[in-house]
Amino acid sequence: DVVMTQSPLSLPVTLGQPASISCKSSRSLVHGDGNTYLNWFQQRPGQSPRRLIYKVSNRDSGVPDRFSGSGSGTDFALKIDRVEADDVAVYYCMQGTHWPPTFGQGTKVEIQ
Amino acid sequence: EVQLVESGGGLVQPGGSLRLSCAGSGITFSSYWMTWVRQAPGKGLEWVANIKQGGSEKNYVDSVKGRFTISTDTAKNSLFLEMNSLRVEDTAVYYCTTGRVGFDYWGQGTRVTVSS
Repeated sequence: DVVMTQSPLSLPVTLGQPASISCKSSRSLVHGDGNTYLNWFQQRPGQSPRRLIYKVSNRDSGVPDRFSGSGSGTDFALKIDRVEADDVAVYYCMQGTHWPPTFGQGTKVEIQ
Repeated sequence: EVQLVESGGGLVQPGGSLRLSCAGSGITFSSYWMTWVRQAPGKGLEWVANIKQGGSEKNYVDSVKGRFTISTDTAKNSLFLEMNSLRVEDTAVYYCTTGRVGFDYWGQGTRVTVSS
């Protein structure tokens, strides 16, 4: 199975400051069809996961534009331009290129 | 608006069985792959099983093969997970979600606790 490694696992941030989460895969996530199936999810405390980004950099409807995804091959990142209190959550990357789909360990974003 | 509502979780002894359900609205299951994902207490997300539109393809994580069965009832727009021979390590919140790898919509989850 493809291993997804996130860093850091805990990310204390100051309100209004940027934050960045890294996600590295053990194999290239470029699919034979040319797409890269890398998603990012947000899970706020006590809630279900919510997809933020799909196929590396496409924001889902309703997701603030302070969230952005980037990367290629095996290295990916989720960036939050200016962290707000509402962004306190655990963030997961997930690959869907190789079977079975696998998730990163999660990165807990908290306000310091 | 798409809504997914899971039910059927509970406390069961090791070796027991449960049947989870996921009822959908605002979405037609016959048009989507559907997936179960679980989350053990304090842990991350784990893909469990999925089913293709029409049920012609089903896939399972190795740890549940032969014990869990995924199915759909398109007339009722519902997804199911029949879980047999449950183990302590199956304890988790089980979520249904849409898509083969997209996972764009999620339910609120149903909690399964396997304990004696």
